[in-house]
Amino acid sequence: QIQLVQSGPELKKPGESVKISCKASGYTFTDYAMHWVKQAPGKGLKWMGWINTYTGKPTYADDFKGRFVFSLEASASTANLQISNLKNEDTATYFCAVITPAFDYWGQGVMVTVSS
Amino acid sequence: DIQMTQSPSSMSASLGDRVTITCQASQDIGNNLIWFQQKPGKSPRRMIYYATNLANGVPSRFSGSRSGSDYSLTIISLESEDMADYHCLQYKQYPNTFGAGTKLELK
Repeated sequence: QIQLVQSGPELKKPGESVKISCKASGYTFTDYAMHWVKQAPGKGLKWMGWINTYTGKPTYADDFKGRFVFSLEASASTANLQISNLKNEDTATYFCAVITPAFDYWGQGVMVTVSS
Repeated sequence: DIQMTQSPSSMSASLGDRVTITCQASQDIGNNLIWFQQKPGKSPRRMIYYATNLANGVPSRFSGSRSGSDYSLTIISLESEDMADYHCLQYKQYPNTFGAGTKLELK
């Protein structure tokens, strides 16, 4: 069965960087795009963008251009999200997800806490 | 960008009630809309896809409908397990956009 397993929670200081991983299994990794979704505490879901797992080309929503980088380790069926120069407002749970019109699979989410 | 205006932001209802949540799209999205249910500490779960289709394993008391640019999720007889947050997502064009979410609580 398709599974997306994300890395563990992170506690960081403002200005630091963090890298979150999302390991896929149960399907051919390059068949489906990987989406990233942010959920701040007590807030709704926000679509961050997606990465073409075949070409490696990322697409970012406007609010996530600059400090956010989507990348792949295709040989390991893993997608990564790196956030640099962390700010307090980056405190959130970050989900990776395969979302298609017919089905979707989500990682369990990674809580990133930014606090001095 | 397409804006999805979701209402209400929160609501309380009694067991057995009929509940309707709506997302209004700022541009034509066809039927390219998914409804998700999310419980605390969990990942979203697809309930309705392509605006009106029930996802696998979802109880038949859930349904989706469309009237023009308004997309609705209806629960015809609320059960305790339905207490959750609900989110709509349009995937007609990038950037994909979610509604702001609806918190459904027991009255």
